[in-house]
Amino acid sequence: SYVLTQPPSVSVAPGKTARITCGGNNIGSKSVHWYQQKPGQAPVLVIYYDSDRPSGIPERFSGSNSGNTATLTISRVEAGDEADYYCQVWDSSSDFRVFGGGTKLTVL
Amino acid sequence: QVQLQESGPGLVKPSETLSLTCTVSGGSISSYYWSWIRQPPGKGLEWIGYIYYSGSTNYNPSLKSRVTISVDTSKNQFSLKLSSVTAADTAVYYCARDLGVRNYFGYYYYYMDVWGKGTTVTVSS
Repeated sequence: SYVLTQPPSVSVAPGKTARITCGGNNIGSKSVHWYQQKPGQAPVLVIYYDSDRPSGIPERFSGSNSGNTATLTISRVEAGDEADYYCQVWDSSSDFRVFGGGTKLTVL
Repeated sequence: QVQLQESGPGLVKPSETLSLTCTVSGGSISSYYWSWIRQPPGKGLEWIGYIYYSGSTNYNPSLKSRVTISVDTSKNQFSLKLSSVTAADTAVYYCARDLGVRNYFGYYYYYMDVWGKGTTVTVSS
């Protein structure tokens, strides 16, 4: 089955740029979606179709996808961005939804 | 806008069957896929399976032998049953709308655009 690999943790200072990666075999051929989950809350979609933002998500959140790596980029990081972030794809061969293991973003 | 609410027992005994229901409000359950996702304490998200409003299903192979997802369109609800539970099934269970979109090139992709708040299920005697 398809596997997505994320770094367990990423740290960034306020006002800087955070980049969270999601690795998978030829992931660039798939559409990648990203969710933010704050402690005790349900996940929230922040990026879909590699780089589109749902309404209400700040422009500071952006995404890219190429080759074997997709990236969620958060510009001008704020304390409120501290959360777990998960990538997700649809594996067309099995019709399964697949999540990455998640990355904890710490704002220093 | 569409809202989802999970309901069901918060405590289930080992070897018994976990049963949860997700009620969809603010919109119709028809024409969409609906997924269950769970999250064990301190761990990541695990997709359990989906149901289409017409009743077709697909399950995570790691749980397939124990999972049944059903839909009741008259009540705008879908449900999860997980049999023979153990402590490893203790988790927060989420229901979500599983949105399928066809892109410009004709390819489909699926993502969860609306989530319930989640319900904690503990497996313990």
